[in-house]
Amino acid sequence: GQQLNQSPQSMFIQEGEDVSMNCTSSSIFNTWLWYKQDPGEGPVLLIALYKAGELTSNGRLTAQFGITRKDSFLNISASIPSDVGIYFCAGQEGGNDMRFGAGTRLTVKP
Amino acid sequence: DAGVTQSPTHLIKTRGQQVTLRCSPKSGHDTVSWYQQALGQGPQFIFQYYEEEERQRGNFPDRFSGHQFPNYSSELNVNALWLGDSALYLCASSYVGGRGYGYTFGSGTRLTVV
Repeated sequence: GQQLNQSPQSMFIQEGEDVSMNCTSSSIFNTWLWYKQDPGEGPVLLIALYKAGELTSNGRLTAQFGITRKDSFLNISASIPSDVGIYFCAGQEGGNDMRFGAGTRLTVKP
Repeated sequence: DAGVTQSPTHLIKTRGQQVTLRCSPKSGHDTVSWYQQALGQGPQFIFQYYEEEERQRGNFPDRFSGHQFPNYSSELNVNALWLGDSALYLCASSYVGGRGYGYTFGSGTRLTVV
């Protein structure tokens, strides 16, 4: 089963609002990643983090790698309708496979 | 530059049957990973192939097997299908030793077992 706990499971927000979601793990990872998946498509990488404490931005997206290496969060500022989708966190240790969270489903109301 | 190509996009199989899914990696990539994504869940790692060998394997039974060809393309085979095998099967390619940010996912194959 999933090793990562991702919350919240779903969010319904108004266009223009900020969004925050997070992911915790019982395992230590040396890489945290955030993906977005649109219906009928595979996940697309948004942000990659590979150092504890690292804070990285990609446009309106900001993500942080937790100090304990067991957690990460993703913030989206000033949401727009095209932000709708499912957001997944994923952790990776060394060259091992990625472990994914169960996802956060984001709905943005115009 | 083509990304990851998976075929078929959809298929329906009967319990007990066997299925083969195919993946062509992104140009320049030599490693292929397969994931199973059940409805409402995140992708679950099945296995990874590099140099035509299975390099890592997740917690999946032996009914799930794979192959990688000299041109780096890959197949996922599932024998004795169960209803619970119904899912989206995703292929991700990367360069050897690539970290998670080096993975490119295909659009997946939607398998329905009836």
